[in-house]
Amino acid sequence: DTGVSQNPRHKITKRGQNVTFRCDPISEHNRLYWYRQTLGQGPEFLTYFQNEAQLEKSRLLSDRFSAERPKGSFSTLEIQRTEQGDSAMYLCASSSSRTGAGTDTQYFGPGTRLTVL
Amino acid sequence: GENVEQHPSTLSVQEGDSAVIKCTYSDSASNYFPWYKQELGKGPQLIIDIRSNVGEKKDQRIAVTLNKTAKHFSLHITETQPEDSAVYFCAASKGIDDMRFGAGTRLTVKP
Repeated sequence: DTGVSQNPRHKITKRGQNVTFRCDPISEHNRLYWYRQTLGQGPEFLTYFQNEAQLEKSRLLSDRFSAERPKGSFSTLEIQRTEQGDSAMYLCASSSSRTGAGTDTQYFGPGTRLTVL
Repeated sequence: GENVEQHPSTLSVQEGDSAVIKCTYSDSASNYFPWYKQELGKGPQLIIDIRSNVGEKKDQRIAVTLNKTAKHFSLHITETQPEDSAVYFCAASKGIDDMRFGAGTRLTVKP
């Protein structure tokens, strides 16, 4: 399977604990995005990377959230001191800026569903 | 910022009928409009997209139309099948980091 993969698929944690999610993009895609999706809503943009550089962060990304893409390949999203309001599906997407087609086509992974008790 | 509205929120059709989902957007600078299908427990899957230099695009049973003047675009699915049942999202974007999604349409195709 050469699509976007995410691990774990499900995570249950207690309020106040830290959690980390991993995303492996499509091979050679240089852009990687994180989104959050709550029940009954569309995905909301959190942040994106071009190669290893984090170029944009949404105001939704509080200081408890941090994302990295150290070698320009996989990425991690960490949430510190989780709150019940953090419960959501966290989606990763990747794209290539090399197609020359303007705004990139983003391909999504299966997501990590986080439940904070 | 961009605001995308999607209608209807739920849609039920008989197998073989057509389904139409409509979206409006607010930012006239938006130039890329993808549609995603999301099945239960899975991530969104791109089914078709259109760019602002094109008014209509078709891929087998799926078509998308774009009216830039009115700032709306629509998804048309013909000859619906039970496996088309899912949640469909429209989105609009003018750049790399500003894709905005509609709230989704839950499509049910009854056999």
